[in-house]
Amino acid sequence: KAGVTQTPRYLIKTRGQQVTLSCSPISGHRSVSWYQQTPGQGLQFLFEYFSETQRNKGNFPGRFSGRQFSNSRSEMNVSTLELGDSALYLCASSPSGTVTYEQYFGPGTRLTVT
Amino acid sequence: GQQLNQSPQSMFIQEGEDVSMNCTSSSIFNTWLWYKQDPGEGPVLLIALYKAGELTSNGRLTAQFGITRKDSFLNISASIPSDVGIYFCAGPLLSGGGADGLTFGKGTHLIIQP
Repeated sequence: KAGVTQTPRYLIKTRGQQVTLSCSPISGHRSVSWYQQTPGQGLQFLFEYFSETQRNKGNFPGRFSGRQFSNSRSEMNVSTLELGDSALYLCASSPSGTVTYEQYFGPGTRLTVT
Repeated sequence: GQQLNQSPQSMFIQEGEDVSMNCTSSSIFNTWLWYKQDPGEGPVLLIALYKAGELTSNGRLTAQFGITRKDSFLNISASIPSDVGIYFCAGPLLSGGGADGLTFGKGTHLIIQP
């Protein structure tokens, strides 16, 4: 089975712009979660989607949003970018929507905000 | 919130040595996960633990779910150069069921000296 794929792998944006990142989960996985990884804060949970619905959300401002499509692919969007949004954004998928915490991560998108 | 404390922060060892690291929390967890992350890649799931006292192996890796449910341990036997990386412990953000987001420790950097 192919793993979780994320596009693009690298991105450079300017403050104030917006960005959309894409994630394709492992085939058959219906739950997709997003995380932000920075040297200072480590890995932090952004949100989780299942069957096109956001079920859980971390402690991030409303500039961070996401969605999931009927084929389980997911996108996350960050509006009005700030320098502090520079990070590795990781997507993870899970086999099912109930009682499993085994999440499988993609390689991430490295976002640099200048 | 639920925070995970990993120790040590970094380890410098010789090839062939055994490695031990641990993760503690002030909250009870019903699941413990161990991940490894290589530079430029996403975390890779190594071992998942679901029961207090459980001891699970994956090749040279062995992890244990602490009896108090507030800690977990990871051991690597006979380390080899490809074991270099950052090891993270993780657990569900919420105590309920479902594919919730994960909270991660800050990681243990494993460095193998030639």
